Amino acid sequence: AQSVTQPDIHITVSEGASLELRCNYSYGATPYLFWYVQSPGQGLQLLLKYFSGDTLVQGIKGFEAEFKRSQSSFNLRKPSVHWSDAAEYFCAVVPSNDYKLSFGAGTTVTVRA
Amino acid sequence: GAVVSQHPSRVICKSGTSVKIECRSLDFQATTMFWYRQFPKKSLMLMATSNEGSKATYEQGVEKDKFLINHASLTLSTLTVTSAHPEDSSFYICSATRQGGWSYTFGSGTRLTVV
Repeated sequence: AQSVTQPDIHITVSEGASLELRCNYSYGATPYLFWYVQSPGQGLQLLLKYFSGDTLVQGIKGFEAEFKRSQSSFNLRKPSVHWSDAAEYFCAVVPSNDYKLSFGAGTTVTVRA
Repeated sequence: GAVVSQHPSRVICKSGTSVKIECRSLDFQATTMFWYRQFPKKSLMLMATSNEGSKATYEQGVEKDKFLINHASLTLSTLTVTSAHPEDSSFYICSATRQGGWSYTFGSGTRLTVV
C-alpha cells in the first residue's frame, strides 16, 4: 500500500542547533515530494518540493531536503534553527500520475532557548 | 504568488444547523480544489476532490450527503457541513491547483466548533 511516514512525532532542538526531520515513502514509482510547515491554527506553507533532477533541494527559510531513491527518503534539514521555526512540519507525496496529495502524520518541532 | 482565501476562519454553530465554508483562488484559476480535515495534533485527511463544473469525488468513508462540495466556478469552491454535530468539529483546510500542475496553494483553514 502507498504510504508516507514521518517517524518522529516530536523533536526538541536548541536554538542555533541543526535540525533534521525524516520522511519515508512507499510507492511503486518515485512520487513527487513536498515539505510543508504549519503554524498553530494556520494553513500550510510550502517549504520545498522535489519532482526530478538535483536530489538536494533548496527551499525557503533556510531549509533544504535531500531525496534518496535507495532509501525512499526525503529528509528535511536546517543547519541552524531559529525560535520561529517552532511549528508542525508535514511531508507530503503525490504520485506522478495523480494530483491527490497525501500527508505524513507530521512532526512537531519545539525550539528551546 | 498564488493566494487562496478561505472563510470563515472560525465558526461556532449549533448542533443540527448547516455551515458553509468558502475557498477562493484570488489570482489564478483553480481547476481542482481539495478539501481536508485535520484533527488536533493529527495529519490532514483528504475528504474530497472537486473539479470545476463536475461533481466532487469523495474519499472512502466521507459522507457526501453530510459534506456537500460545490465547485461552481474556477475560483470558488464551497464545503457545506449539513446537520452538523459535535463530532464534526474540526479544522477544515482547502487547497487549490492549476490545470496540469502539482503546485498546491492552501487556504488558512476554518476552525468549526459545533455546540
